[in-house]
Amino acid sequence: GAGVSQTPSNKVTEKGKYVELRCDPISGHTALYWYRQSLGQGPEFLIYFQGTGAADDSGLPNDRFFAVRPEGSVSTLKIQRTERGDSAVYLCASSPGQLGNSPLHFGNGTRLTVT
Amino acid sequence: GNSVTQMEGPVTLSEEAFLTINCTYTATGYPSLFWYVQYPGEGLQLLLKATKADDKGSNKGFEATYRKETTSFHLEKGSVQVSDSAVYFCALTPPSGTYKYIFGTGTRLKVLA
Repeated sequence: GAGVSQTPSNKVTEKGKYVELRCDPISGHTALYWYRQSLGQGPEFLIYFQGTGAADDSGLPNDRFFAVRPEGSVSTLKIQRTERGDSAVYLCASSPGQLGNSPLHFGNGTRLTVT
Repeated sequence: GNSVTQMEGPVTLSEEAFLTINCTYTATGYPSLFWYVQYPGEGLQLLLKATKADDKGSNKGFEATYRKETTSFHLEKGSVQVSDSAVYFCALTPPSGTYKYIFGTGTRLKVLA
């Protein structure tokens, strides 16, 4: 079956611009996560959705970052007034439930470069 | 706080060599422990997991044992193949926030034919 799909795979934008990153989770997965992976680092938690609501957004670095999941399926991560430090690979993952031992299914990520 | 520490890479081995990638963790209580693998050009995928002390996770010839006394979850494989070349991430989910995975920095493995 189809896995987690992220678009675009690459995004280059100028400092100060607005970007949207899209995630299509596996059908039927109620939990959706966004992580950010900087070069040479492991993924860092940004936000977690259970259904349509953001159950935990404590990992969002500041108020320039926002994510939505209006119908409980597709999610969009939005970054306003991008900065060069936002350059990273943004990973989306989904899982069938909210238990900690449910494995995450990751997409291939969106590589964001802010020039 | 909760954290995961992995040995730095890259690790370069010849085919059929024995592999160990060290992972230690800091957590309150009993976390669940995982190894994820990222093959070139692909997304991260679960390799194995263990949810309580002394559990052994295994998959594709890889093994890791949850050691509470040493707070470790080292990854081992008896005979690596070229196709095992990838980046390996150790991770935990703390008991208090079971959805919030915490990852190590990753260890790149390169297996030479």
